[in-house]
Amino acid sequence: LAKTTQPISMDSYEGQEVNITCSHNNIATNDYITWYQQFPSQGPRFIIQGYKTKVTNEVASLFIPADRKSSTLSLPRVSLSDTAVYYCLVGVSGGYNKLIFGAGTRLAVHP
Amino acid sequence: EAEVAQSPRYKITEKSQAVAFWCDPISGHATLYWYRQILGQGPELLVQFQDESVVDDSQLPKDRFSAERLKGVDSTLKIQPAELGDSAMYLCASSSLTGSTGELFFGEGSRLTVL
Repeated sequence: LAKTTQPISMDSYEGQEVNITCSHNNIATNDYITWYQQFPSQGPRFIIQGYKTKVTNEVASLFIPADRKSSTLSLPRVSLSDTAVYYCLVGVSGGYNKLIFGAGTRLAVHP
Repeated sequence: EAEVAQSPRYKITEKSQAVAFWCDPISGHATLYWYRQILGQGPELLVQFQDESVVDDSQLPKDRFSAERLKGVDSTLKIQPAELGDSAMYLCASSSLTGSTGELFFGEGSRLTVL
């Protein structure tokens, strides 16, 4: 099982771009990289997923270098409502595949 | 949008009592997960079902915890007897596709407080 390492916490201000990097040195060939966001007293929710290069959706971008040993979640122009815990997961879902959460990164956005 | 349903949302119980949580995954999702999340930590996988079969329960404290998904649809997680250290959020998730890009869909969770 690929293990991930993320910063424990980050601080930012409204309107800034936030980049959270996740290290996953033992990623397997068929593993995907998925980021989840969790607010207090709620279940995690999917943000973005990628396999290689760059993926962008309406809320975030995900940058994955060629060796796939790390990935960076980019949140453009954060607002107070982006204050949450962000988890990086590596693997595939369903069937006999396990998805293991790490401790995540606590992002605090300040006015 | 389809959601994962969980109940109860909150449960307060005394130690040594029995408690049960219920989860109804998104229709058609074959894989169901139960995670436990202690305050300030990431979710910990307790048990994983593929249809009605347990595919992983290596982190489930089997002396007091049990989980079932009899018809491969909804699932129940039971704790008996509850201990103080069981106070946590119990999260249920489901996914549809196997070994592919299928994302996990989580319910709102059941917060357990053991007194």
